[in-house]
Amino acid sequence: GAVVSQHPSRVICKSGTSVKIECRSLDFQATTMFWYRQFPKQSLMLMATSNEGSKATYEQGVEKDKFLINHASLTLSTLTVTSAHPEDSSFYICSASEPPGLGWEQYFGPGTRLTVT
Amino acid sequence: AQKITQTQPGMFVQEKEAVTLDCTYDTSDQSYGLFWYKQPSSGEMIFLIYQGSYDEQNATEGRYSLNFQKARKSANLVISASQLGDSAMYFCAMREGPTYSSASKIIFGSGTRLSIRP
Repeated sequence: GAVVSQHPSRVICKSGTSVKIECRSLDFQATTMFWYRQFPKQSLMLMATSNEGSKATYEQGVEKDKFLINHASLTLSTLTVTSAHPEDSSFYICSASEPPGLGWEQYFGPGTRLTVT
Repeated sequence: AQKITQTQPGMFVQEKEAVTLDCTYDTSDQSYGLFWYKQPSSGEMIFLIYQGSYDEQNATEGRYSLNFQKARKSANLVISASQLGDSAMYFCAMREGPTYSSASKIIFGSGTRLSIRP
């Protein structure tokens, strides 16, 4: 199956700083990527849908100015957590879909564990 | 409104026994897909099995099978001959809309933590 990578896998930052998380599709072009957040012992909650070359679509309740998403190429989407606070500490997972017509599956990255101190 | 419901927060099963994890869903779309994912403690999401709304046969993948009852809107996962390595969180998920649309998003249920006893 297709491979999606995330970097970094783990990051610790101080409150008030910004953190960038990268999501890459390694062997396919991803027109659409998705960002999820998962708090401990909870399910994955979709934060936003990232479309290559256009603005991301955010889910209700997700702050656009706090979670900046950039999908500059067909293989890379980035999530920047701006002015991070301890409550932003979470597990962030991205997924990517192949272009339409080539498959139905979303491929998940391994996740990034963010800890804000 | 919650669209994917998993009513079993946790389950304990003896090794080598079969186990059924429940999942019900709600959608008004005619075209949708149902998934099961396994999430071990490492956090990675491991795809297990997929069932399309138009598939007439229940999906099977090795020890995993999906008991799809469309009229009841249920998509239970059956794991046969459970193994210690099956201990993990299991999520049922649904993707609405045409399967050829890469933009249709997947939504997840709350998950079931499965623990296999030796």
